[in-house]
Amino acid sequence: KAGVTQTPRYLIKTRGQQVTLSCSPISGHRSVSWYQQTPGQGLQFLFEYFSETQRNKGNFPGRFSGRQFSNSRSEMNVSTLELGDSALYLCASSLAPAGGAYEQYFGPGTRLTVT
Amino acid sequence: QQPVQSPQAVILREGEDAVINCSSSKALYSVHWYRQKHGEAPVFLMILLKGGEQKGHEKISASFNEKKQQSSLYLTASQLSYSGTYFCGTEANTGNQFYFGTGTSLTVIP
Repeated sequence: KAGVTQTPRYLIKTRGQQVTLSCSPISGHRSVSWYQQTPGQGLQFLFEYFSETQRNKGNFPGRFSGRQFSNSRSEMNVSTLELGDSALYLCASSLAPAGGAYEQYFGPGTRLTVT
Repeated sequence: QQPVQSPQAVILREGEDAVINCSSSKALYSVHWYRQKHGEAPVFLMILLKGGEQKGHEKISASFNEKKQQSSLYLTASQLSYSGTYFCGTEANTGNQFYFGTGTSLTVIP
């Protein structure tokens, strides 16, 4: 069974630009969560989608948005990039909403660098 | 809402034991544990559910104290392969909120 895939793996953008990251979950998984990881900050929760609906949103500005398609693939978008947005963005999929009795499977991440 | 882990970092020699703690300010329904090795994605270790039993996985086990809203991860007879950052993830009783903890860096040296 194929794992969680994320594209692109690496991205360099300039301040003020926008970016779209993609995540394809494991087949059959309906939940996709997004996390931002920076050194010393751990895994900061961005949002979770389940069956095309945003189930939860973390404490990030409105510049961060996402969506989920009917095939469970998800995208996240960051507009008006700032230097502080440089981070590893991880997505994770699970059979059911995050938490509970179902584990999350993480993708390899997209390394975003904003210059 | 983010659970707090302690210690932040620990260095062990092979064969030594370690305990990593995870505390939440909310009453919990589930606690998840993950390990992330340098340059890799986090990997699932185990889940503990409210009212459930202590879990174990080889020489790594965990407990869940619902009254104290805490979970502890126990690593016994540590191996070099145990090195990495350990994260707990918690879901509150109220549901709909799952957050990862602050992380604990564990280094095992020969």
